[in-house]
Order: sequence, then structure tokens, then C-alpha cells
Amino acid sequence: NAGVMQNPRHLVRRRGQEARLRCSPVKGHSHVYWYRQLPEEGLKFMVYLQKENIIDESGMPKERFSAEFPKEGPSILRIQQVVRGDSAAYFCASSPRLDIRTEQFFGPGTRLTVL
Amino acid sequence: GENVEQHPSTLSVQEGDSAVIKCTYSDSASNYFPWYKQELGKGPQLIIDIRSNVGEKKDQRIAVTLNKTAKHFSLHITETQPEDSAVYFCAASISGGTSYGKLTFGQGTILTVHP
Repeated sequence: NAGVMQNPRHLVRRRGQEARLRCSPVKGHSHVYWYRQLPEEGLKFMVYLQKENIIDESGMPKERFSAEFPKEGPSILRIQQVVRGDSAAYFCASSPRLDIRTEQFFGPGTRLTVL
Repeated sequence: GENVEQHPSTLSVQEGDSAVIKCTYSDSASNYFPWYKQELGKGPQLIIDIRSNVGEKKDQRIAVTLNKTAKHFSLHITETQPEDSAVYFCAASISGGTSYGKLTFGQGTILTVHP
């Protein structure tokens, strides 16, 4: 009964490089959310995806950030040309459906450090 | 959009005492209010949640109350133990219908329980 899996757990990039963060939701969950947690702050919503569709990306920066959730494989959060301000913990959460019971299960996070 | 305020930012108690964390929200349409516990280096873990058709919910040493009129909700932990030490986050969302259930988090409370 595996929970949400994220990899890598820690990622170090130099300014200008690309970061790829992967999230495998709970088996059978078709709803994926990405959140970002800056140091000593709460989590901020970035994007919500269903299989093969981006439903709400209102919390994601317009440039350099993209997300996908293909039919097969994990959800990917991609950050191009990283800057120091991108250093944060990125959490993925999954949910089985969108009715009144909307519990989200969080993964352990990927901690991105930009040098 | 929704805004969630959480207080206090830090809370220190003696083992066996009670701890109370309070949150207010701004969007009267929010109907789902989870509380998460985050330990160092880990992802948030759901500890209790409440929906807007309920005023109070209890699970062993943990209870949550909701006042829809005042738009605030609180977490109560009784008989605290050192292992309760962690960061606690409240959150709010609109679940069901065409809403996407994205969570808006408070800023977090660092709870320290002294033996």
C-alpha cells in the first residue's frame, strides 16, 4: 500500500540548469497537486492536474515552470533555468476524487537547492 | 482568493498540558478544513479534518472546532507528549462540485512539548 512517492528527495542545481521533479501518486489516484514550501513558510498551491490534463495552474509562475501528468508514468514538475529563489521544498499530493471527501495525501517532498 | 491566517507561530508547552492553535479563513465558500502535522524533513501528514456541516470533531487526544459564522477553526491537542512536537498547518478548501479542492495553508505553528 505505497503512498505518494517523490524523487529525487534532494536535488542540487546551479543557476541556469533545469530541475525535474517526479511524483508517483497513490495507486488509483487520478488527481495530483503540486505545492511549494519556501523556508519557514506554509505550503503554496502551484498546479492541479488530472491524467493528461492541466486543470488549474493559477499558482504556478508563468515562465520557466511547467507540469505534466501523462497517461503512463509519474507527474513531472519541470523548472527551467533555475534561479536561487527557486530553492524550496516541492510537495506533491494525490487524491482519489473530487467529491466532499477530498483528502489529499502528501509525498515526502523534493528539496531543491540552487547554488 | 482564499486567505488563511494561523496563530500562534510558535507554541511551547509542558508535557501533559493542552495546546490550541487557531486559524481564520476569508472565503465563506470554503467547506473543508484539514490539519496537517509536518515533522522535520517529511511531508505533511493529515491528522484530522472537518467539513462545514459539522461544528466539532474529536479523535482521541485531538479535536477540531469550526465556527462558520466567524470563519475560524481551531485545533486542540490534550495531554501533549514530546512526540507531538512538530509543525502544524491548518488549511481550507472548497471541495465538491466543479471546485478543484486546492488547499490554502496557514503559515504554520511550531509546537514544542517539553518533557
